Amino acid sequence: EVKLLESGGGLVQPGGSLRLSCAASGFTFTSYRMGWVRQAPGKGLEWVSGISGSGTEYVDSVKGRFTISRDESKNTLYLQMNSLRTEDTAVYYCAKGSLRRFYFDYWGQGALVTVSS
Amino acid sequence: DIQMTQSPSTLSASIGDRVTITCRASQSISSYLAWYQQKPGTAPKLLIYKASNLEGGIPSRFSGAGSGTEFTLTISSLQPDDFATYYCQQYNPSSPYNFGQGTKLDIK
Repeated sequence: EVKLLESGGGLVQPGGSLRLSCAASGFTFTSYRMGWVRQAPGKGLEWVSGISGSGTEYVDSVKGRFTISRDESKNTLYLQMNSLRTEDTAVYYCAKGSLRRFYFDYWGQGALVTVSS
Repeated sequence: DIQMTQSPSTLSASIGDRVTITCRASQSISSYLAWYQQKPGTAPKLLIYKASNLEGGIPSRFSGAGSGTEFTLTISSLQPDDFATYYCQQYNPSSPYNFGQGTKLDIK
């Protein structure tokens, strides 16, 4: 059974940093594309970042501030978020992609990140 | 960037109705289109990938069609569990892999 469990969310001041983690199990973690999708309160879904064997990708609004990475020895996906802004406030979902594409067949429960002074 | 536009934004329907949601891409995405269902307070669930392929475990009343720039999600006979918000997502092989703004399906 595929499971994705996020952790690391919380309240942070503008300009601060936070690292989200996503512990994955039930599939061959190294083989699949992984991503982060966020949802601001009352809003729609926004793809944030993805990682594959070809490298990493980001939406323009987080480029230079967020870094996606994976630790294959721990089956864990990360999102390091620096220089946080109030508009980054959202529920962040970790999601499993397919072998070659960034559509998502399994999602974590979400981690709430609140950026506020 | 490829922009995704869904219509309508809100749809009111009754149990047993056939409903169709449309998603338009600002440029051709071939068949790289997925549909998701989301209920309040929960993560999205994948329904359809590659425009018309039903994800495992999804009821056959859900179907997807289209290619290029215009796509549809059809629910053939609405069930109580189907009232939710639906999103399309393009995953044409270049980011950003944008979602549509969502279509909220509620009970008439």
